[in-house]
Amino acid sequence: GAVVSQHPSWVICKSGTSVKIECRSLDFQATTMFWYRQFPKQSLMLMATSNEGSKATYEQGVEKDKFLINHASLTLSTLTVTSAHPEDSSFYICSAKTGQGQIYSNQPQHFGDGTRLSIL
Amino acid sequence: DAKTTQPNSMESNEEEPVHLPCNHSTISGTDYIHWYRQLPSQGPEYVIHGLTSNVNNRMASLAIAEDRKSSTLILHRATLRDAAVYYCILRSQGAQKLVFGQGTRLTINP
Repeated sequence: GAVVSQHPSWVICKSGTSVKIECRSLDFQATTMFWYRQFPKQSLMLMATSNEGSKATYEQGVEKDKFLINHASLTLSTLTVTSAHPEDSSFYICSAKTGQGQIYSNQPQHFGDGTRLSIL
Repeated sequence: DAKTTQPNSMESNEEEPVHLPCNHSTISGTDYIHWYRQLPSQGPEYVIHGLTSNVNNRMASLAIAEDRKSSTLILHRATLRDAAVYYCILRSQGAQKLVFGQGTRLTINP
């Protein structure tokens, strides 16, 4: 159980285009989803946290107008990289957890397999 | 978030136990200790978590020091598929996000 599916798994596109990445929880309702990016040989860096039906909370230094996050349903969140440039090339990973509040606070997060984005 | 310190890399042999250490000297009373691992080209995978008592599951065991300032993830019998980066993360009760450090890159020799 607790499967998170990310799509696409990899994408190559030209500089200046926008790219949308989908993150779906397949067998549970994800009240909270998280988006991370990871550069080669580095750790995961949290970009933003989104709760279903509300605006995402972005980490310091992450441009909200550049990385648009939508979490319109309990099973789907999307990350759109707008006007992508070569420096946006990275491995983007989403994760999801169920429930809110302290009773659920230590439930594990479930991660997708990531999207490798290459901007030419 | 309280910080954790892990060795950059460790190496072990197949079918032998592996003990992955983590120091967290500034841990607070409400911090849970979480372990995740990331296999090459994949997203992280939950391994185990605990608060004060040692924990066991089908993947691993978590041994927590009495003063909670350190913990050890134990893989009882390593296989080649256990080669991954292992992350030890503290998360306060009620906190939503996981903040990843650099982790320990575990290599398993056949």
